[in-house]
Amino acid sequence: QSALTQSASVSGSPGQSITISCTGTSSDVGNYDLVSWYQHHPGKAPNLIIYGVSKRPSGVSNRFSGSKSGNTASLTISGLQAEDEADYYCCSYAIGGTIFGGGTKLTVL
Amino acid sequence: QVQLVQSGAEVGKPGASVKVSCKASGYTFSAYYMHWMRQAPGQGLEWMGIINPSGGTTSYAQKFQGRVTLTTDTSTSTVYMELSRLTSEDTAVYYCAKDPGGVGVAHYDYWGQGTLVSVSS
Repeated sequence: QSALTQSASVSGSPGQSITISCTGTSSDVGNYDLVSWYQHHPGKAPNLIIYGVSKRPSGVSNRFSGSKSGNTASLTISGLQAEDEADYYCCSYAIGGTIFGGGTKLTVL
Repeated sequence: QVQLVQSGAEVGKPGASVKVSCKASGYTFSAYYMHWMRQAPGQGLEWMGIINPSGGTTSYAQKFQGRVTLTTDTSTSTVYMELSRLTSEDTAVYYCAKDPGGVGVAHYDYWGQGTLVSVSS
């Protein structure tokens, strides 16, 4: 299993929207609606923000949304805030376990 | 509230073993599977394995088969991850993460804070 592909970094200004993509294959992202996203502030525990492609856990801001098309999943963050600056990881079910993306560092300018 | 509290940083020598603990609270420990992941410096997260705290059934990623052992102590609501035959490539932050339960799920609703394992002679 190869890691899912994410761009290394993305940036945006407060109030703007950004989208992070996560590309897999027909064996993982493309075959299952089991994509999740995690926000990770270094030194802290990762935080689940999206599961099942587009579902938000209770307590997670509706500024976070997820979608999927073919083998690529996407996380959109609208109305960027300073506290959104973090690393973001996608994850997908695959036979034999789950696989993660390499992470995308979001910088809020 | 759900909390997963991991043990502190470890330093291990090449060829040795290391054991990391993850103490759970705030939910019925035996009712939810626990996973372990790791993140090596500059790399993404990597799933290592899963344990059912009720009964101790385990499943490991092929990459770690024969080197990782997950165990559980229900009396203290603690899960342990032991990694043997350490090499420098095992230097990473190790995380425990709780499975939310249910059929057809593949995500982790709560994570520990991470434990840095450094392998050095």
